[in-house]
Amino acid sequence: DIQMTQSPSSLSASVGDSVTITCRASQSISSYLNWYQQKPGKAPKLLIYAASSLQSGVPSKFSGSGSGTDFTLTISSLQPEDFATYYCQQSYSTPPTFGQGTKLEIK
Amino acid sequence: EVQLLESGGGLIQPGGSLRLSCAASGFTFSNYALSWVRQAPGKGLEWVAAIRSSGGNTYYADSVKGRFTISRDNSKNTLSLQMNSLRAEDTAVYYCVKSSSGWYLFDYWGQGALVTVSS
Repeated sequence: DIQMTQSPSSLSASVGDSVTITCRASQSISSYLNWYQQKPGKAPKLLIYAASSLQSGVPSKFSGSGSGTDFTLTISSLQPEDFATYYCQQSYSTPPTFGQGTKLEIK
Repeated sequence: EVQLLESGGGLIQPGGSLRLSCAASGFTFSNYALSWVRQAPGKGLEWVAAIRSSGGNTYYADSVKGRFTISRDNSKNTLSLQMNSLRAEDTAVYYCVKSSSGWYLFDYWGQGALVTVSS
């Protein structure tokens, strides 16, 4: 199975800040990397697919980059509604696997 | 609007069985692969099982293989997960998830159904 490792596991930031979350795959997954946002008590929501493509309806403050084994999710100009847990996920092979999550908290 | 509505969750004793259902609407059900993804309390996301659009191919996580069965009824727009020999570690919120054009690209999620395995 492909292991996905996110860093950091938690992150504190202020409204207006920009943050970057990193995701590393245990082997090359080309660009088969997706990012999800999950708020407490809610289902995950797809933000970014194929490493850098923005899902329809998702604001452009979210951006993704990377290929192979190293990927990043950047969120600019943080607003209160952006504080949530973010997961990366590889869709390269079976089983699809998720990172452990990065909890973004308000400082 | 795509909607996925899970039902069938609840409290079950270890070793018992439970069947989850997911009623789908707002898209051409028979055209898309579907999965179940679960989340144990306070933990991350774990893919459980997937089924292709035709229902002809199914895939399972090692943790549930031989105990869980995923199925679909394209005439009723319904996805199911039959869970047998349940264990305490199966306790989780189970999400019904639609795939986009990519096999494991999860573009829509249901609200989740809580399954609690406890005596």
